[in-house]
Amino acid sequence: GQNIDQPTEMTATEGAIVQINCTYQTSGFNGLFWYQQHAGEAPTFLSYNVLDGLEEKGRFSSFLSRSKGYSYLLLKELQMKDSASYLCAVRDSNYQLIWGAGTKLIIKP
Amino acid sequence: IAGITQAPTSQILAAGRRMTLRCTQDMRHNAMYWYRQDLGLGLRLIHYSNTAGTTGKGEVPDGYSVSRANTDDFPLTLASAVPSQTSVYFCASSEVAGEGDTQYFGPGTRLTVL
Repeated sequence: GQNIDQPTEMTATEGAIVQINCTYQTSGFNGLFWYQQHAGEAPTFLSYNVLDGLEEKGRFSSFLSRSKGYSYLLLKELQMKDSASYLCAVRDSNYQLIWGAGTKLIIKP
Repeated sequence: IAGITQAPTSQILAAGRRMTLRCTQDMRHNAMYWYRQDLGLGLRLIHYSNTAGTTGKGEVPDGYSVSRANTDDFPLTLASAVPSQTSVYFCASSEVAGEGDTQYFGPGTRLTVL
């Protein structure tokens, strides 16, 4: 079966750094996506990795290791508006996205 | 540019009733998708369309049907609603279907079946 694992919930402090991990077991791999979803809203695209390594985009970075089936999303200089759920999704051999259940990130002042 | 719009925003429906959720995009994207999102579960693909005139089944297609008569519209129909179809439904689109293409989501429809 196909499986995406993420922690259910994490808590961090405003101004700090947090790393959200994602491990996956899928039938094939054609890229990994991270989305942000605020409560009651639609998911919005954050990052895409298809090759091993780190992709940096402002305060957000995403890392991929295909051999380990592992990715993480790194959020720096946390702001209260970063309180949201973060969704990891893998595109499988059929080019369909398989989604994790998401990690709810709570930011405390 | 509105992006993707969905209607209705929310709906309470009696079991056994027929319901169509509407989705329209103005980005001229070729591919469109319907997902459902339930608490504690990841988004699950119901149906998809890689281009106008074609549709395909996703992970959880039973009880749902779709059509893609043109590029912009992708309605989702529940022929006879059941309580297990209570969920938040998201429509999404991407420029093409394939490697690296990003999906963009509509605001969602919250459906309750009683």
